[in-house]
Amino acid sequence: AQSVTQLDSQVPVFEEAPVELRCNYSSSVSVYLFWYVQYPNQGLQLLLKYLSGSTLVKGINGFEAEFNKSQTSFHLRKPSVHISDTAEYFCAVSDRPNTGNQFYFGTGTSLTVIP
Amino acid sequence: EPEVTQTPSHQVTQMGQEVILRCVPISNHLYFYWYRQILGQKVEFLVSFYNNEISEKSEIFDDQFSVERPDGSNFTLKIRSTKLEDSAMYFCASNRDGNEAFFGQGTRLTVV
Repeated sequence: AQSVTQLDSQVPVFEEAPVELRCNYSSSVSVYLFWYVQYPNQGLQLLLKYLSGSTLVKGINGFEAEFNKSQTSFHLRKPSVHISDTAEYFCAVSDRPNTGNQFYFGTGTSLTVIP
Repeated sequence: EPEVTQTPSHQVTQMGQEVILRCVPISNHLYFYWYRQILGQKVEFLVSFYNNEISEKSEIFDDQFSVERPDGSNFTLKIRSTKLEDSAMYFCASNRDGNEAFFGQGTRLTVV
């Protein structure tokens, strides 16, 4: 089975500062990795995903993440955050390509951008 | 842009009652899922559905839960006899090729 660990439950950061949200996973097989964002009272929206190829993936809203296989990590980064980035961020992993694969989610990181 | 839609957005029900949560997945998608998120906790997998049958289910998805795709467009989650601990946000998701799940806005179920 897969598992996802998000080490930081809450991350406060000042506006225009950089941020990194950490995600580690455990898996004995190849995985697909995802970051989803949940704004208050809304559903889950895909930020970015790693399926194969380049280990640095760019997503929406200026976010990017780097897949590090040796460290089994997929940390999310943004060089300069905005107030509108305040939300809950979930890392997820899936291990079965081209089938009805289950997504395993981390416990989430609450990002609060301080003006 | 196509999206997954869920109705209702909020459902309040008395303990012991049956509820049906409805979802309309994206039209050309083949895989369907239900997840739930208890307040303050992580998103948990309930069940996946493919080719008109359950392909995988979690320990949470016991006999009180069932899913159905009654008419080729809707995908429903039925909870037969609700308990207080069933109160949660329920998310429907659909997936075309197994690589990315598109989530609906969720239905907040409150059992009183």
